[in-house]
Amino acid sequence: DGGITQSPKYLFRKEGQNVTLSCEQNLNHDAMYWYRQDPGQGLRLIYYSQIVNDFQKGDIAEGYSVSREKKESFPLTVTSAQKNPTAFYLCASSEGQVTNQPQHFGDGTRLSIL
Amino acid sequence: AQSVTQLDSQVPVFEEAPVELRCNYSSSVSVYLFWYVQYPNQGLQLLLKYLSGSTLVKGINGFEAEFNKSQTSFHLRKPSVHISDTAEYFCAVTEGGYQKVTFGTGTKLQVIP
Repeated sequence: DGGITQSPKYLFRKEGQNVTLSCEQNLNHDAMYWYRQDPGQGLRLIYYSQIVNDFQKGDIAEGYSVSREKKESFPLTVTSAQKNPTAFYLCASSEGQVTNQPQHFGDGTRLSIL
Repeated sequence: AQSVTQLDSQVPVFEEAPVELRCNYSSSVSVYLFWYVQYPNQGLQLLLKYLSGSTLVKGINGFEAEFNKSQTSFHLRKPSVHISDTAEYFCAVTEGGYQKVTFGTGTKLQVIP
């Protein structure tokens, strides 16, 4: 079955450490997204990419970085500059660059600080 | 800029009772509207979407929503809820021509046996 795979499911970060969250999709979707979810705040967009080798900052990009070297992969790095990284991170994808297409989500990665 | 308001953060309802989850949006252009459901420790799943045409949209699991342009609302309804409907529900909107999706803050539906 096609879908989005996020790994790991749980991740712990030490102070001053960078960590990378994996997101892979086999839906052949052009667009991919990273969201951060905090209780009571809904989903906030970190970065998105509409095509390979191109990505744009979302609303809360500071302290995060991404790459899009392959169509199926969109890893997110949480850098040491992100002072409050504890959250649930969701990766999503959608067909093409058409805004009326729904997003498909992975099952998330929960990041905590040690 | 588009925005989405879900005024009710939690909605308790007895099993087999009807429920309405409210969603209002703010946009000056044409919009596409979505409802998603999230079960604990999982991603979001699409319940239904409004793109154009009939203002009453039917989705999965017996849910439906009605688009009201004059009231800028897209409320989600179900005539009879089940325990399995306990989850968090998110309303989302995109504006024509823009790739970015704006999500509401979510409504937790708690079905009481």
